[in-house]
Amino acid sequence: KAGVTQTPRYLIKTRGQQVTLSCSPISGHRSVSWYQQTPGQGLQFLFEYFSETQRNKGNFPGRFSGRQFSNSRSEMNVSTLELGDSALYLCASSLSAARSYEQYFGPGTRLTVT
Amino acid sequence: GQNIDQPTEMTATEGAIVQINCTYQTSGFNGLFWYQQHAGEAPTFLSYNVLDGLEEKGRFSSFLSRSKGYSYLLLKELQMKDSASYLCAVSPRNGQNFVFGPGTRLSVLP
Repeated sequence: KAGVTQTPRYLIKTRGQQVTLSCSPISGHRSVSWYQQTPGQGLQFLFEYFSETQRNKGNFPGRFSGRQFSNSRSEMNVSTLELGDSALYLCASSLSAARSYEQYFGPGTRLTVT
Repeated sequence: GQNIDQPTEMTATEGAIVQINCTYQTSGFNGLFWYQQHAGEAPTFLSYNVLDGLEEKGRFSSFLSRSKGYSYLLLKELQMKDSASYLCAVSPRNGQNFVFGPGTRLSVLP
């Protein structure tokens, strides 16, 4: 069974631009969570989607948004990029929301904002 | 509020035993998890504790004391490939998002 895939793996953007990251969960998994990982803040929760609905949202500004499609694939969007948005963005999938502890992480998208 | 603490870095020798501690203060508790993350790679699940006590899985064991808000990950017979960051995470309530600790970078020396 294929693992969680994320595209692109690396991305360089300039301040003020917007970016869309994609995550394809493990086949059959319906819950997708997004995390931001930086050396200073560690791994921080962004949001979780289950059956196309946002279930939980972390403490991030409204510039960060996401969505989930009927095939469980998910995208996250960051508008008006800031230098501080440079980070590794990780996506994790799990079979269902109730079993969200069994999360499988993708390789991440390394975003650099210049 | 939610707060999880771990030592930033640890060093140990190949073949030795190392204990990585994690203390937490969260609004509610539904389980504590340990993940391993090699540099440049995604975190991978190691263990899950929801009740007090020790969970053993091969060379790795994880302990939990809910009354003390404390957990540790014990790695035995250390190997060079165990050099990685170890992340402690707490699920405050069933179905709610995880809170991750800052991670402990473990270096295993020959």
